[in-house]
Amino acid sequence: NAGVTQTPKFQVLKTGQSMTLQCAQDMNHNSMYWYRQDPGMGLRLIYYSASEGTTDKGEVPNGYNVSRLNKREFSLRLESAAPSQTSVYFCASRTASGSNQPQHFGDGTRLSIL
Amino acid sequence: SQQGEEDPQALSIQEGENATMNCSYKTSINNLQWYRQNSGRGLVHLILIRSNEREKHSGRLRVTLDTSKKSSSLLITASRAADTASYFCATDVAGTASKLTFGTGTRLQVTL
Repeated sequence: NAGVTQTPKFQVLKTGQSMTLQCAQDMNHNSMYWYRQDPGMGLRLIYYSASEGTTDKGEVPNGYNVSRLNKREFSLRLESAAPSQTSVYFCASRTASGSNQPQHFGDGTRLSIL
Repeated sequence: SQQGEEDPQALSIQEGENATMNCSYKTSINNLQWYRQNSGRGLVHLILIRSNEREKHSGRLRVTLDTSKKSSSLLITASRAADTASYFCATDVAGTASKLTFGTGTRLQVTL
């Protein structure tokens, strides 16, 4: 099993460009999450999807949109990239909301906005 | 805002020694989880301790939880060079639809 797969692994954008980060999981998990990680900090939740068909804002949603395309896929879109969005983005999934289960992470997308 | 704060921020030990990391949090939790992150990689789940548990073991890992003090500790015994990584605690806060809130992490360096 691949687990959680994120594409692309690296990307450089110019300010104002748009981009979609892709995430897919093959573990039949219900919940999916997008985080960003900045130097010296932990992960901060951008958006999450507790189940297929639902999405909710996390701690830092401004400048982002998400789509839960189906049970496997959860994409993150930057409509107009800004330098402050330079970060490493992680997608995670979890078997079910409300259960004492861990999250499973992809290896991240390293995004630079010039 | 960060729910969890790890202490110390960085820790350097020699192979074979034990490493202890602490995590403090602010609000009631369903569970607390510890993750490891190797350089350039995603987070890997290590251990989960529920709010009604006080201690849990997994191999060389020992986790304690004190809900009255809102704190947890992760002990890695007989450390190895391969344990070099950043370690994060994450809290599953009660009533938040199982969202995790991560601390800022402890960077562990294990030297030969």
